[in-house]
Amino acid sequence: NAGVTQTPKFQVLKTGQSMTLQCAQDMNHNSMYWYRQDPGMGLRLIYYSASEGTTDKGEVPNGYNVSRLNKREFSLRLESAAPSQTSVYFCASSGTGQDLEKLFFGSGTQLSVL
Amino acid sequence: GEDVEQSLFLSVREGDSSVINCTYTDSSSTYLYWYKQEPGAGLQLLTYIFSNMDMKQDQRLTVLLNKKDKHLSLRIADTQTGDSAIYFCAESIRGGRRALTFGSGTRLQVQP
Repeated sequence: NAGVTQTPKFQVLKTGQSMTLQCAQDMNHNSMYWYRQDPGMGLRLIYYSASEGTTDKGEVPNGYNVSRLNKREFSLRLESAAPSQTSVYFCASSGTGQDLEKLFFGSGTQLSVL
Repeated sequence: GEDVEQSLFLSVREGDSSVINCTYTDSSSTYLYWYKQEPGAGLQLLTYIFSNMDMKQDQRLTVLLNKKDKHLSLRIADTQTGDSAIYFCAESIRGGRRALTFGSGTRLQVQP
C-alpha cells in the first residue's frame, strides 16, 4: 500500500534555482495539503486543495505555487528558491466528512537552499 | 503553529507512564488530534477525540480533554522504547480554512 508518495526525498538547491516537489496519493482522497516543518515550529500549512481543480493558500504561501494536476497529484513549486525555504516538506491527503481531518502523510522531502 | 502550544521535550523511563500536554485556542474545534512522527518519517494519526467528550481510551493511550481550559493531554501507559518519537497535537478547521493547525511537537525520549 503506497499511500502518499513524495519525490524527491532530498534536494539541495542554490539560491534562485527553481524546482517542483511531486506528491501522489492512491487512496482516492479529495483533499491534499502541503506543509513545511521547521525545528521548534511544528508544521505550517503552505497550500491545500479541497478537490481537483481548486487550491487555497494556507498560513505561509509566499514563495510557493501549487498545481492540483488531477485527483491523485498535487505538486509544489519553488520558482526562485531562498535560504528561508530550507525545510522539510510534507504532502498529506485526507478523505471526506468525518475523515476530512484524518491526514495521511508522505515521508517528506528534505530541502536545503544554499 | 503558535495557536497550539506544547512543551518541547519529555524524558521517561521504560515502563513508566508518559503524559504529553497541549493547549489550543479555538473553542469551535470539532475534533482534536494526536499525531506521532518517528525519525525520518511523516506523521501518523495516533488517536483523536471529539470535542464533546472528556476522555477517550484506546489500549495504552488515554486522551483527556478539558474544554474549559482548552487543554488536551495524551497519556501513554507502560511506555516502551518504541514510543520514542515526536508527538503533535492538532486542532481542526478554523476560520474557513479546511486544514489542521499543529503544535510544535513534543519529543518523547524513553530511557531503557
